[in-house]
Amino acid sequence: AQSVTQPDIHITVSEGASLELRCNYSYGATPYLFWYVQSPGQGLQLLLKYFSGDTLVQGIKGFEAEFKRSQSSFNLRKPSVHWSDAAEYFCAVARNYGQNFVFGPGTRLSVLP
Amino acid sequence: SQTIHQWPATLVQPVGSPLSLECTVEGTSNPNLYWYRQAAGRGLQLLFYSVGIGQISSEVPQNLSASRPQDRQFILSSKKLLLSDSGFYLCAWLGGETQYFGPGTRLLVL
Repeated sequence: AQSVTQPDIHITVSEGASLELRCNYSYGATPYLFWYVQSPGQGLQLLLKYFSGDTLVQGIKGFEAEFKRSQSSFNLRKPSVHWSDAAEYFCAVARNYGQNFVFGPGTRLSVLP
Repeated sequence: SQTIHQWPATLVQPVGSPLSLECTVEGTSNPNLYWYRQAAGRGLQLLFYSVGIGQISSEVPQNLSASRPQDRQFILSSKKLLLSDSGFYLCAWLGGETQYFGPGTRLLVL
């Protein structure tokens, strides 16, 4: 069965610092991979997705993620964090052309002024 | 463009009372629809999904049920709420191979 792990439950960074959120997945075939962000009390917003092709994908809000098949990872990065980036971040893997998603437990990001 | 709505935004209900949460999608036809629950500080738990009118698949046995009376409407219901039903309920639709989420309904059962 497929699974998604996000090893970091909570990360704190200073504003302007770089950020990397880790995501590892277990899936037998080529996965569809996603990163979502959730602000408190809000729904999930899609940041970026990877289906195939270039393994470095660009998303909204200055985020990017890199798919590494050899490491079964899809880590999210941002070169300079803004205070508004404080939120919960979820990694997800999909099967059956997106019909069934498996979400990671989430990583909560706090940003220090 | 497509839009997904959920209501109510917030709901406070006593234990044992019934529940009805509604989700509607605009700008697309016959989408796959999903209900998730998110307990406080927890990840997402898939409750139900639907591939069409009247077609419901349940992922987790519980006292909740779902119905899809119309193409773009998905309803989550309960006859008698439990304290453990408290949480944040999210509806999503499948566009291409991507799920897009609604704003959510916060349910507090007292």
